Amino acid sequence: YVLTQPPSVSVAPGETASLPCGGDNIGGKSMHWYQQRPGQAPVLVIHYDTERPSGIPERFSGSNSGNTATLTISRVEAGDEADYYCQLWDSVNNRVVFGGGTKLSVL
Amino acid sequence: QVQLAESGGGVVQPGGSLRLSCMASGFSFSGYSMHWFRQAPGKGLEWVAVISHDGDNKFYEDSAAGRFTISRDNSKNTLYLQISNLRPEDTGTYYCARAEAGYHTARGDFWGQGALVIVSS
Repeated sequence: YVLTQPPSVSVAPGETASLPCGGDNIGGKSMHWYQQRPGQAPVLVIHYDTERPSGIPERFSGSNSGNTATLTISRVEAGDEADYYCQLWDSVNNRVVFGGGTKLSVL
Repeated sequence: QVQLAESGGGVVQPGGSLRLSCMASGFSFSGYSMHWFRQAPGKGLEWVAVISHDGDNKFYEDSAAGRFTISRDNSKNTLYLQISNLRPEDTGTYYCARAEAGYHTARGDFWGQGALVIVSS
């Protein structure tokens, strides 16, 4: 599997950010998303395509269908500025695959 | 609360070896598979290896097979990563993360703060 993410996305505060992750038939896989702020460890923000872990704001949501998974952040705040990575389990090769990451900039 | 604390990082010469440790607390360590991930400076996240809850099953990224060994000691609530024949491209921050009960999984729901490994002469 190869997961493709745009290197950067910019959005104004209060707007909605859509971060895509593309791959062949990834809709049939479980997608996970991580937020990594500068100098910090990654944090799981969405797992199993649409589920939010405890403590993650409702502003974060996910979808996964066909060849694209999407992390959506509503009412974007300055604190959401970070790198975001999509990730899945490749069951054919028994390995974890990450997308290259998207840097979200809040204008 | 779940806590993971890596240790053992540092500066190592090319060709040297290193063992990273990850001490777990706040959950039943022996009930979870565990991952190692890494991140080169300024680069994206990479997966290194996963080990099953009992240590009997392991998977490695292709580039890690042969030089990296993942292991665990459930009596000490500790995960390990042994790296041999270190190369400059192994430089980066190494993270341990809690997986799930099964080991055919990518998810890491809790991560440590990372251990920095620098391979340089």
